[in-house]
Amino acid sequence: EIVLTQSPGTLSLSPGERATLSCRASQSVSSNYLAWYQQKPGQAPRLLIYASSSRATGIPDRFSGSGSGTDFTLTISRLEPEDFAVYYCQQFGGSSFTFGQGTKLEIK
Amino acid sequence: QVQVVESGGGLVKPGGSLRLSCAASGFTFSDYYMSWIRQAPGKGLEWISYISSASTVYYADSVRGRLTISRDNAKNSLYLQINNLRAEDTAVYYCARDRPYSGYARYFDYWGQGTLVTVSS
Repeated sequence: EIVLTQSPGTLSLSPGERATLSCRASQSVSSNYLAWYQQKPGQAPRLLIYASSSRATGIPDRFSGSGSGTDFTLTISRLEPEDFAVYYCQQFGGSSFTFGQGTKLEIK
Repeated sequence: QVQVVESGGGLVKPGGSLRLSCAASGFTFSDYYMSWIRQAPGKGLEWISYISSASTVYYADSVRGRLTISRDNAKNSLYLQINNLRAEDTAVYYCARDRPYSGYARYFDYWGQGTLVTVSS
């Protein structure tokens, strides 16, 4: 099973700042099989990025994804108040999916 | 618009069974793989099972042997039978749309609101 490790666990930033979230895999992941989600309290996760760098429908262009192999990054260029949430990366490999443990993005 | 709506959760005693349902609408259900993902209270996301458009099934190692995923394309519905429930199965269970049969990338683009399963005596 591929293990995804997200860092940092918590990120404290102010609106307007740039956020960089990391997702590291225990073995190489196909770029087609890496996605990012946002989850707010009491809500289902929302797809942000799929295939490492493609934005999902309706996702603002301040969200971008990059990376390959074992290192992937979600960047939020300028934080808006509604961006403070928990973010998860997800991979598919060997007929199963795994999620990272999440990064909580909180208001500083 | 695409919608998936879960139902069937509730309070169950340890050792009991439960069948969750997911009603899909707004897309050609039979064309899509579908997954179940759960989230224990205050914890992260855990994928537990998916079913292909051809009804091939896959399970996470942590739950294999106790879960059965199935689909009824005529009813646009997905199901999850959970047997021998344990306290650690307590979670919100989400139904999510996976890839189309013709697709390649794997991700979940539509999620339901979830249904809460509580296992307690």
